[in-house]
Amino acid sequence: EIVMTQSPATLSVSPGERATLSCRASQSVNYNLGWYQQKPGQAPRLLIYSASTRVTGIPARFSGSGSGTEFTLTISGLQSEDFAVYYCQQYNNWPPAFGPGTKVDIK
Amino acid sequence: EVQLVESGGGLVKPGGSLRLSCAASGFTFRSYSMNWVRQAPGKGLEWVASISTSSSYTYYADSVKGRFTISRDNAKNSLYLEMTSLRAEDTAVYYCARDYNDYDILDSFDVWGQGTLVTVSS
Repeated sequence: EIVMTQSPATLSVSPGERATLSCRASQSVNYNLGWYQQKPGQAPRLLIYSASTRVTGIPARFSGSGSGTEFTLTISGLQSEDFAVYYCQQYNNWPPAFGPGTKVDIK
Repeated sequence: EVQLVESGGGLVKPGGSLRLSCAASGFTFRSYSMNWVRQAPGKGLEWVASISTSSSYTYYADSVKGRFTISRDNAKNSLYLEMTSLRAEDTAVYYCARDYNDYDILDSFDVWGQGTLVTVSS
């Protein structure tokens, strides 16, 4: 079973700044990695799939990179609506697994 | 509009049973594998179960294997989760979610319902 870890647990960022979130898999997941955003009281929203492909309608300030075991989600020029919890998820092997999340809050 | 709407949550005693439903609309339901994902209060996301398009394949998290059953009715555009022998640790919001692609069962999840709360307590 693949275990996903995320760092940091909480990231405090000022509006307009860049946020860099990390996700690590306990073994290679190739490019089969997704990123989700979740706001309080809402369902998760898929932002990125295949490690770096933005879902239609997701702003270009969200970008994903990495492969194998190391992945990064970068949010350039944070806007007020971006403050949320972000989860990575591997779907290379059963069972699919989510990381514990990174909370991005306002500095 | 592509939409998933869950129902069936509620308060149940430990050892009890509950059946969740998820009504799909706005897309060709029979073409997509489907999933249940849960989130305990204040916690992260946990995948629960997946089912292939024709119900030929089902997969479960170890934490629910033998107690939960995922099923679907393509004629009714509906997904189900039958939960038995419920425990306090099953308390969570349960989301149904669609696979992003229509050709694979192991995938990211691009459409989510609003969730239904299951509370297991005496």
